[in-house]
Amino acid sequence: DTGVSQDPRHKITKRGQNVTFRCDPISEHNRLYWYRQTLGQGPEFLTYFQNEAQLEKSRLLSDRFSAERPKGSFSTLEIQRTEQGDSAMYLCASSFSVSGQETQYFGPGTRLLVL
Amino acid sequence: AQSVSQHNHHVILSEAASLELGCNYSYGGTVNLFWYVQYPGQHLQLLLKYFSGDPLVKGIKGFEAEFIKSKFSFNLRKPSVQWSDTAEYFCAVNLGSSNTGKLIFGQGTTLQVKP
Repeated sequence: DTGVSQDPRHKITKRGQNVTFRCDPISEHNRLYWYRQTLGQGPEFLTYFQNEAQLEKSRLLSDRFSAERPKGSFSTLEIQRTEQGDSAMYLCASSFSVSGQETQYFGPGTRLLVL
Repeated sequence: AQSVSQHNHHVILSEAASLELGCNYSYGGTVNLFWYVQYPGQHLQLLLKYFSGDPLVKGIKGFEAEFIKSKFSFNLRKPSVQWSDTAEYFCAVNLGSSNTGKLIFGQGTTLQVKP
């Protein structure tokens, strides 16, 4: 069990640029979640996948955000035309859902700074 | 909207002192409850969880939490803290009646233990 991994760990970009983050879940976990965390706050849900299907998106996820999980394994989160308000820690978590009881395991996060 | 409230934002204790961190949620239905911890420089780790059964749950490193349904609370306790418990603690709730496993987090409590 290698845990959830995320890449890159840090990203600095200029406003208006596009960025893409990758998350590799624990193998055989069928659910993958993305959260965003800003300083002094708890993580906020963005979206989640069950296998390759994106089942729910938060209202926090503007049209500039898109996420994919093409083969039900790794996932990418892309932010287009970044804004300074996008600066945050982006967290990925995975779980194996059985009978509505699941435990999410978190990756180290990608810290984004938009200048 | 459902929410999670952690009353103490910053707690400072001396080693061997007892700890209780408050967590209340606003949702009248079935919930699954979690406490996560984030040590300095590390990712979110699960401390303990409650799905059903005995409302007193024990987690890692001597932590325990009690689910009191009538009070919508899931307070975290440890009888004697150590310097190594210095970390940020997050309470999280999942709505057990929904098909989504998304977590709703509290703001977090920063615990500082003085040696």
